[in-house]
Amino acid sequence: DQQVKQNSPSLSVQEGRISILNCDYTNSMFDYFLWYKKYPAEGPTFLISISSIKDKNEDGRFTVFLNKSAKHLSLHIVPSQPGDSAVYFCAASPRVRYGGSQGNLIFGKGTKLSVKP
Amino acid sequence: DSGVTQTPKHLITATGQRVTLRCSPRSGDLSVYWYQQSLDQGLQFLIQYYNGEERAKGNILERFSAQQFPDLHSELNLSSLELGDSALYFCASSVETSGRWDTQYFGPGTRLTVL
Repeated sequence: DQQVKQNSPSLSVQEGRISILNCDYTNSMFDYFLWYKKYPAEGPTFLISISSIKDKNEDGRFTVFLNKSAKHLSLHIVPSQPGDSAVYFCAASPRVRYGGSQGNLIFGKGTKLSVKP
Repeated sequence: DSGVTQTPKHLITATGQRVTLRCSPRSGDLSVYWYQQSLDQGLQFLIQYYNGEERAKGNILERFSAQQFPDLHSELNLSSLELGDSALYFCASSVETSGRWDTQYFGPGTRLTVL
């Protein structure tokens, strides 16, 4: 049973427009959420994260929104650039604020973003 | 470059064989994590070591084992290999501060092909 779901395997966006990648989760024990970007033949690269006590985190062109009541998070990329073309993984971690191990990141299957010039 | 190194980059072997994957964490990171990415799957957490000791276990088969050495590098041992073990194996590292989130940084991965 998938605890982290990325329902769109792919997304195509025009350069300069907004890219919105979505992620749903089922486990209310998740405490921290992350987005990783992955290029072919490379390991995942950390992009941005958000704690469950926040509903928004922004870093340059990247903004992550968290809706805890809907168990949904999204990554907005504005403006999208051709170099953003990659597979984006959503990941979640169980509670660490109470001394738990953060080891078991739970990943979605990824969304392949294509930004067309 | 994340600072996490993995060797080898590619590994081709036969069913029934045993292989060892190696990972060196970023300087200063005490935790090492191993993940498996099979075809069309997200990354699956296998196991975590912290400062030489096993800290958390995920979907790791009994045929697989890992260890972390005093210099903090880690090895993932895969034995009695089956065709279904063909996958990308990633190592990640983090500082791991109790009660606080620390980002996990991933290595480039080892692609294992079992024929």
